[in-house]
Amino acid sequence: GAVVSQHPSWVICKSGTSVKIECRSLDFQATTMFWYRQFPKQSLMLMATSNEGSKATYEQGVEKDKFLINHASLTLSTLTVTSAHPEDSSFYICSAYGQGGNYGYTFGSGTRLTVV
Amino acid sequence: KNQVEQSPQSLIILEGKNCTLQCNYTVSPFSNLRWYKQDTGRGPVSLTIMTFSENTKSNGRYTATLDADTKQSSLHITASQLSDSASYICVVTLDQAGTALIFGKGTTLSVSS
Repeated sequence: GAVVSQHPSWVICKSGTSVKIECRSLDFQATTMFWYRQFPKQSLMLMATSNEGSKATYEQGVEKDKFLINHASLTLSTLTVTSAHPEDSSFYICSAYGQGGNYGYTFGSGTRLTVV
Repeated sequence: KNQVEQSPQSLIILEGKNCTLQCNYTVSPFSNLRWYKQDTGRGPVSLTIMTFSENTKSNGRYTATLDADTKQSSLHITASQLSDSASYICVVTLDQAGTALIFGKGTTLSVSS
């Protein structure tokens, strides 16, 4: 089945530093990747949608300059949280949608970001 | 307005018992409906995917039903196990491309011994 690998699974960083999260589709080509944020006991909130080779589309209220998304290949997308602050602490999840009739929509295992 | 409503918000059951989770949606156009299981601190894992023409789909002890006329879906869990404790999320897709999804807020299931 479709597998999406997300790394790191958790990270602690100092306020003001940047953190990069990777999302890889291991056995399929992901034409579209999505980045979500989830606060405790809340539903997933879509942050942005990225298509390979083009700029990401950000949801309203999400700062594009703070959450940099790169989708350079059909198997890799990255989310960089720049100048992180404690309020950015959250659970970040990626998902990927593949070509070729795979209407499964596969999530990564998530990244717990804690900014201290 | 496209919405997905899930009930109950939370549920506690004894190990070995059955339970049914509900999902009502007001989404149009409709492409498919998915049920996911999300363990705490993990990403959601797909349980079932149903298109408009499918009424039921099973995955082990999980059975999902879909009534496209009433826009209702249910997820039935049989002979619950402690490992079933998780959040169960109903997601409706609007388009064939799968790029427009509406998430329910989930039902938190706790299975106790």
